Amino acid sequence: NAGVTQTPKFQVLKTGQSMTLQCAQDMNHNSMYWYRQDPGMGLRLIYYSASEGTTDKGEVPNGYNVSRLNKREFSLRLESAAPSQTSVYFCASSGLQVSGANVLTFGAGSRLTVL
Amino acid sequence: GQQVMQIPQYQHVQEGEDFTTYCNSSTTLSNIQWYKQRPGGHPVFLIQLVKSGEVKKQKRLTFQFGEAKKNSSLHITATQTTDVGTYFCPAGGTSYGKLTFGQGTILTVHP
Repeated sequence: NAGVTQTPKFQVLKTGQSMTLQCAQDMNHNSMYWYRQDPGMGLRLIYYSASEGTTDKGEVPNGYNVSRLNKREFSLRLESAAPSQTSVYFCASSGLQVSGANVLTFGAGSRLTVL
Repeated sequence: GQQVMQIPQYQHVQEGEDFTTYCNSSTTLSNIQWYKQRPGGHPVFLIQLVKSGEVKKQKRLTFQFGEAKKNSSLHITATQTTDVGTYFCPAGGTSYGKLTFGQGTILTVHP
């Protein structure tokens, strides 16, 4: 099925450990995004990539790095995890629908706990 | 993306009651989208509104875009337990789709 695939679905880290969240889309979308979702905070944009070869900071980029590996893949790296980064992370990509709407398609989410 | 305020933050209804959530912006919006996120799930696109005064319906859901394009609403008629979730109204601002999400409205439907 076409869509956005992100891995892992669950991860527990200790403070200071590093990890990379992987995301891939097969819809030939140019733009990709990483959001985090915390209770009562809605979805906040961490980083985005408007097109292959470009990345930009969103609302809450501190403590994260990203790589747009190719058109399909956009990874999010935590170099030194902190308890404040405990969250659910969503990858998304966007593309034009037939209706003309530029729509976000989200992955299933990655639940990260930092102890 | 352009920032919108969404109210209420929480809404509890009995099954069969109607429900409305509102999004308000201080600036004119180019368009507004609506997404639904089921508990434990991911946001899913519902609809986009572009034109002033636009009204769109999807079964029991009615979406409106204000005449001044500064506000929007989602009305659900006769809620069902399947309507449970968080409804977001991110507003557009870029040609490639970058959106700013607010807190959304969390809807609980009691059977």
